[in-house]
Order: sequence, then structure tokens, then C-alpha cells
Amino acid sequence: NAGVTQTPKFQVLKTGQSMTLQCAQDMNHEYMSWYRQDPGMGLRLIHYSVGAGITDQGEVPNGYNVSRSTTEDFPLRLLSAAPSQTSVYFCASRTGTGAEQYFGPGTRLTVT
Amino acid sequence: DAKTTQPTSMDCAEGRAANLPCNHSTISGNEYVYWYRQIHSQGPQYIIHGLKNNETNEMASLIITEDRKSSTLILPHATLRDTAVYYCIVRPPRGYGGATNKLIFGTGTLLAVQP
Repeated sequence: NAGVTQTPKFQVLKTGQSMTLQCAQDMNHEYMSWYRQDPGMGLRLIHYSVGAGITDQGEVPNGYNVSRSTTEDFPLRLLSAAPSQTSVYFCASRTGTGAEQYFGPGTRLTVT
Repeated sequence: DAKTTQPTSMDCAEGRAANLPCNHSTISGNEYVYWYRQIHSQGPQYIIHGLKNNETNEMASLIITEDRKSSTLILPHATLRDTAVYYCIVRPPRGYGGATNKLIFGTGTLLAVQP
């Protein structure tokens, strides 16, 4: 198993541009989540999904959209990038009753 | 979700036990204590979790006080590779439903293992 994979690893955007961060898992996990981590801080939940076709907001959802058309993929869309969205983004997944969340390696995003 | 309080940083000598404390005085009766760690620039890694009994796995031991208001993560023989930020998290039990999917991360404890 590849586990949780994220692309790209690094991205630089200009203010106002849009882009999609990709996340995929090959473990057949129902739950998937997106977190962001700002320098010196813990992770904050952006959006999550409990299964294909079902998504919900986390702590900091503004400026981000998600969809879950398949069990494997959970892309995160930035609609109009802002400097405040400069961060490291982590995707995670787990089974419905699993205790452990598996995290991807992260995407480092800079918005200028 | 219950809040947790952890020291900002700790040092430990290589080969010695590292004891990382966590206070969670407002924990509810059905909430679990989870520990994750994050090695620099990597995604967080699950370590261990427990409800009220002490737990041990190949990575660490978790000691939860009888009143469940605090816990200690023990790395029995710390190595340089254990240098990381350790997060103590309290969350509802596993299962379906939005609340159980959330891991609310604080700022954690930076453990520096010294040679």
C-alpha cells in the first residue's frame, strides 16, 4: 500500500489564483480529512468526509471547497488564493471505527 | 471537545525514559486520550490511545490517572529519532458521526533528545 499520497509537494501561487491539492489513499478508508498547519502551530481541521458523497466543515473552512466522488480521492480546492492561506496542508484518512489516522506527507503552499 | 495542556518543550538524554505529561481536566467520561507525534516537516504519526486503563504498545506506554484528568506518555528508551513534537488529544469514541472524525491539535510538546 502507498498509504496516503498528496500532490504537489510544493506550490507557489499568486493572490487570486485557484488550484486543487490532491489527496488519495489506497486503504479503502471511509474517513478523510484536510488539515492546515501554520508555522509554530498545531494542525487545524479544514474539511472532512465520512464517505463518498458526504463532506462537512471543520474549524477553518472559509476559502476552501472539497468533494468526495470516490472513496480513494479527496481533493481540496482553493477558490481564490490569499496570503493567509500560506501553510502546510496535510490530508489524513482512517477507517470508520479505526483509532489511528494516517497522514500524508503534506503540501507546502506559498501565496504571494 | 476537552482541552489539553502540555509543556512547551522538554529535554531527555538518549537512552533514558522520556515522560511527557498532559492535563485534560475537563475530559468527559467517554472521551479517549490520543497521542500523536510529528517529526520535523512530516505528517503526524499515531502513537497510542486509551480510555482509562494503562496501555502499552511497541512504541510507548500511556498512563492515565484514576480520575482521568491527566496522563503521561512514556517512551522507555528515547533515541535521537524520537525528537519531535508530541500532541496529546482528547476526542469522543470511534465510530460514525462528524465529531468523532475530528482531531483537535494543540501546540504540543517539543521533545529534544540529547546525545
